[in-house]
Amino acid sequence: GAVVSQHPSWVICKSGTSVKIECRSLDFQATTMFWYRQFPKQSLMLMATSNEGSKATYEQGVEKDKFLINHASLTLSTLTVTSAHPEDSSFYICSASPTGGLGVSSYEQYFGPGTRLTVT
Amino acid sequence: DAKTTQPTSMDCAEGRAANLPCNHSTISGNEYVYWYRQIHSQGPQYIIHGLKNNETNEMASLIITEDRKSSTLILPHATLRDTAVYYCIVRVLQGAQKLVFGQGTRLTINP
Repeated sequence: GAVVSQHPSWVICKSGTSVKIECRSLDFQATTMFWYRQFPKQSLMLMATSNEGSKATYEQGVEKDKFLINHASLTLSTLTVTSAHPEDSSFYICSASPTGGLGVSSYEQYFGPGTRLTVT
Repeated sequence: DAKTTQPTSMDCAEGRAANLPCNHSTISGNEYVYWYRQIHSQGPQYIIHGLKNNETNEMASLIITEDRKSSTLILPHATLRDTAVYYCIVRVLQGAQKLVFGQGTRLTINP
């Protein structure tokens, strides 16, 4: 149980185009999902916290108009990289916290396999 | 969350025990120690967590010092597939919350 998937697993796009990455919790509902970015040989850096039915909370320095997050259902959050540029090339990883009793998120967090974005 | 410090890299021979240290000297009383690992180009994988008692599961053992200022993750019989970056994180167990990843330890298991 507790599987999180991401789609696509890798994508190559041209500079200036937009790319959407999906994060799905396959066997549980997740009120809260997180989006991380990881550059080569670096650690994971949190980009934003996504809450179902409300606006995402972005970390300092992350442009909310460039990285659009939508969490329209309890099993799906999407990250859209708008007007992508080569410096946006990175490994994007999502995680999800199961919704517990009374709709409150559990402290557990399950990670997706990641999406490698290459912008040419 | 409290910060953690880990060695940048470690090597271990296949079949031997790998002992990965982590310092968390500013840990609070209600913060747990969590360990994740990340195999190349994959998402992080949960390994184990503990508060103050030593813990063991099918993957590893976690030894936490009595003052809780440091801990050691032990992989009892390391295999080549254990080559990964290991992250030590301290956090409270209170609803969904972001995880702050440090640089971790790059563990290489040598044949």
